[in-house]
This record gives sequence, C-alpha cells and structure tokens, in this order.
Amino acid sequence: DTEVTQTPKHLVMGMTNKKSLKCEQHMGHRAMYWYKQKAKKPPELMFVYSYEKLSINESVPSRFSPECPNSSLLNLHLHALQPEDSALYLCASSQLDRVDEQYFGPGTRLTVT
Amino acid sequence: DQQVKQNSPSLSVQEGRISILNCDYTNSMFDYFLWYKKYPAEGPTFLISISSIKDKNEDGRFTVFLNKSAKHLSLHIVPSQPGDSAVYFCAASPLLIQGAQKLVFGQGTRLTINP
Repeated sequence: DTEVTQTPKHLVMGMTNKKSLKCEQHMGHRAMYWYKQKAKKPPELMFVYSYEKLSINESVPSRFSPECPNSSLLNLHLHALQPEDSALYLCASSQLDRVDEQYFGPGTRLTVT
Repeated sequence: DQQVKQNSPSLSVQEGRISILNCDYTNSMFDYFLWYKKYPAEGPTFLISISSIKDKNEDGRFTVFLNKSAKHLSLHIVPSQPGDSAVYFCAASPLLIQGAQKLVFGQGTRLTINP
C-alpha cells in the first residue's frame, strides 16, 4: 500500500470557523509533511514531523496548528483563516533514512470565504 | 528568492519524440534532486531522482542528467507518450535535516504530448 489519503477533498470555511484536515498513511513512514500549494505555484513546505515530533516549522502563522497523534496520522487544525489561505493543502510521507521520494496525497482544496 | 527554477512554464512535444525538461538551482548545499509528475486533482507522484555524486540516472523512458558545475539538471523522456502529459516539478533537497527531507520545488513545467 503506497497510498496517502487525505480528507476532506474539498473544504469551504468562513474566517471564524474551526476545521481540521486529516492525512493517513500505512507505509510505516516516520516522516510526515504538510505543504501548501497556490494556483500555478510550486508546493511550499509548512511543517515536518519526524517520529511524531514536530521537527520543522517554516514560520507558518499560528492559525495553522499541526498535530501528529500517531505514526500513521497527521492533522492540520485551522482557525481564523484568511481568504489568502485558500489553497491546495498536500500531505506527504517518507522514510527517514533514505533521501529519496516523498509520497503525496491528493490534497484538500480549501476555500476561505 | 527562488532556489529552484524551471524557466519554461509549458512545453509541447509530438508523440514519439523526446521531451526535455530543464531545471536550474542556486543553492550549492542541495545534495539530492528529484522529479515529480502531477496530474490535475492528484498529488505529485515521484518519478526519478539523482544524487549529487552522479551525473546521470536512467529508469526506463526517463533519464535525469545533472551538471553540478552549471547547477542544472534536465529530465529526458523518450519516446514521449500521451500519458506523459502532466505538470512536472523539479525538486531539490539539502542533506538530511533531523532525519527528514526538506524539498524545495520549482514552479513546474506543463508538458503536453500531441498525438
């Protein structure tokens, strides 16, 4: 199973809402990632978790709050977002001891109104 | 500051011919380079990679070339097939940071293969 799943596929939320994005993988990968991708732009790294601990935060605003409850799950909690946060949010996972491919999920298309 | 650049936003190639996608980088700390392919409504899919200690890596129809002195890499697809039509992202990674990879992506090149 080389699949990374993400739910929901689409999400529309208001600026006062609280919502969560979910990501799951069962490949035994111990590194998991959140990326943000705006239209016609490359994916931009937001957070990296290694062994369920946050290892990289790319200066992401606190209205984005990641959580890694176990080695298979990664959440991104959203609160008080702005319309400019509308984007495709991609989750990825990889092995820790190999510098090669990350496996990406299909993404959640987020619209903030 | 764009550390990984793909200067061609789009490329159109006839089926059966060679597709060549280019990528330039500025950070000499990058140690590993990857190409990803992305279809609409899907996440990027890993295609092929190359370590900085090599200058060529081949996998079936796909070959990646690395020129470290020029800080340039390219992806060759031959022969090109209609199913290769997608957006191709070049990505680079420095040495492992705390055991996890940090990928920096280029802007992508939309490849269209014409029958």
